[in-house]
Amino acid sequence: DVKVTQSSRYLVKRTGEKVFLECVQDMDHENMFWYRQDPGLGLRLIYFSYDVKMKEKGDIPEGYSVSREKKERFSLILESASTNQTSMYLCASRTDRGNQPQHFGDGTRLSIL
Amino acid sequence: GDSVTQMEGPVTLSEEAFLTINCTYTATGYPSLFWYVQYPGEGLQLLLKATKADDKGSNKGFEATYRKETTSFHLEKGSVQVSDSAVYFCALSPEATAGGKLIFGQGTELSVKP
Repeated sequence: DVKVTQSSRYLVKRTGEKVFLECVQDMDHENMFWYRQDPGLGLRLIYFSYDVKMKEKGDIPEGYSVSREKKERFSLILESASTNQTSMYLCASRTDRGNQPQHFGDGTRLSIL
Repeated sequence: GDSVTQMEGPVTLSEEAFLTINCTYTATGYPSLFWYVQYPGEGLQLLLKATKADDKGSNKGFEATYRKETTSFHLEKGSVQVSDSAVYFCALSPEATAGGKLIFGQGTELSVKP
């Protein structure tokens, strides 16, 4: 089974802090994704990466950056956290082989005070 | 642009009732279509998928058929259980999209009462 592990289930940070969310997958997947989930809005793509050191902006990249130095790890960075970034953050990974689905981690519920 | 529209929730049913959650999409070509389920406190799990027109995806008693003519992918189950209470997301992956990006509907919360 694919395992996508997010480093924290719950995180509380203060406005202006630099925040790191970590995600690790164990299936050698080429593609990794970061979403945020908000009530009534579904999941919105922040960034994705299709290879080491490669990244592309999703629909809502403002205020975020990402890092992928190793194939198995994809980090989401909030450069200067703001209260409107309080949300559930979900990481996913996907192989490039065939019409395969994305596999998700359990999510990180982030609160910015 | 591509989009997914789901029926709004919450949907409340009694155990053993028939379930339909409507999903329609807008996309060019032939996207792949998915239903994901999110149980309380967990991430999303793939429930079923269909990758071409008239395909039927099925899993755990749930079914959905890819209808190109009506651009729909409605989720159905003949007899729901309390354990089916969750949020259900319809999603599409546009044809020939880099990395297999997904576009999600807003989710439909299902509550099943004993």
